[in-house]
Amino acid sequence: DAGVIQSPRHEVTEMGQEVTLRCKPISGHDYLFWYRQTMMRGLELLIYFNNNVPIDDSGMPEDRFSAKMPNASFSTLKIQPSEPRDSAVYFCASRATGRNTEAFFGQGTRLTVV
Amino acid sequence: AQSVSQHNHHVILSEAASLELGCNYSYGGTVNLFWYVQYPGQHLQLLLKYFSGDPLVKGIKGFEAEFIKSKFSFNLRKPSVQWSDTAEYFCAVNGKDTGRRALTFGSGTRLQVQP
Repeated sequence: DAGVIQSPRHEVTEMGQEVTLRCKPISGHDYLFWYRQTMMRGLELLIYFNNNVPIDDSGMPEDRFSAKMPNASFSTLKIQPSEPRDSAVYFCASRATGRNTEAFFGQGTRLTVV
Repeated sequence: AQSVSQHNHHVILSEAASLELGCNYSYGGTVNLFWYVQYPGQHLQLLLKYFSGDPLVKGIKGFEAEFIKSKFSFNLRKPSVQWSDTAEYFCAVNGKDTGRRALTFGSGTRLQVQP
């Protein structure tokens, strides 16, 4: 398996623009997680899905953020409108079901909002 | 609520020195424990994991960690560090059963190994 695949790897956008980040989890994994990493706040969970259903979105900072998982092999994280404080590295991770499993992380998307 | 504390924010060592990074967690149920490593500009990679059984777990690259349940700790150790170990290290926990299945991370420890 190629692992968790995220795109794009880098994104530079202007404030106010819509940004869409994409993630393809490892095939067969039932859990998908979106994390944000910043110097100030470290690694924060934004939202996670189980079997394509959002389970916990309490980490989504504002209504400007939305995430979807239309099928088992694809998820998006959208920011509309984007702001400079959204600049961060966004990681997607997936994990198989079961009590004893670990999460695998994608390469991340480095977002810069200018 | 689930939380993870890493007490060392920045550690500087010389090559061949021994390493111990502290990690304490707070969670009301049975947990899985992890250490992830992030090399500069890269993604998170699993270093080692504890699910159950022997509390001393060995990971990749000579790292090991010990789970001490009574202390809610999962400290990371390496007898002799190398320059290539320069990275940021994250301790993480998730609930084993119902409840919070997503990983909660500590704030990270930046390790700098000087040649």
